[in-house]
Amino acid sequence: GESVGLHLPTLSVQEGDNSIINCAYSNSASDYFIWYKQESGKGPQFIIDIRSNMDKRQGQRVTVLLNKTVKHLSLQIAATQPGDSAVYFCAENAGNMLTFGGGTRLMVKP
Amino acid sequence: GAGVSQSPSNKVTEKGKDVELRCDPISGHTALYWYRQSLGQGLEFLIYFQGNSAPDKSGLPSDRFSAERTGGSVSTLTIQRTQQEDSAVYLCASSVRLPGRGRYEQYFGPGTRLTVT
Repeated sequence: GESVGLHLPTLSVQEGDNSIINCAYSNSASDYFIWYKQESGKGPQFIIDIRSNMDKRQGQRVTVLLNKTVKHLSLQIAATQPGDSAVYFCAENAGNMLTFGGGTRLMVKP
Repeated sequence: GAGVSQSPSNKVTEKGKDVELRCDPISGHTALYWYRQSLGQGLEFLIYFQGNSAPDKSGLPSDRFSAERTGGSVSTLTIQRTQQEDSAVYLCASSVRLPGRGRYEQYFGPGTRLTVT
């Protein structure tokens, strides 16, 4: 069936460096994508979203890129901080619900 | 303001017992979702409520799982005759809009960690 997945289960970066978390999706009909951040013991928290009519969207220190040609989504975090350490999930809309990828753990080294 | 709350935060139960998990969504949110998250895994959709419409139960893994939403607000997820494979974190989320109709965001609760021994 259609699915959303991630290439890297764990990403380790040095504090201050930029982080890039990738996600591949297979449902070409999806028109809305979200990145969530989940810290230990907490529920996922919305970071940024993007619609399929866009290829880039920027927030505070975060940028989401969407490449519909290869069905690829990425989250870029600038100047990664220790507080960014968490599991990051991409999600795509599928009807009235979101389908989540498997998650990538981001570890920030001081 | 208050976010999505869930209770209990932790639940340990013996195999074969029934459990009830509660979710209080954000006031005014018409959509409510239940997900299951196994250790180190992604979120598995279970069930979705939207207003007074019939719930979408397509994600429920077996007939031991059921959920209801009373008065369009509080929801209860019930697992009957629990099995060890039911051990997971059960997350509830609510939203005010549906995808495709403006900015859409699901607000998640902290989850209930269920352990079946």
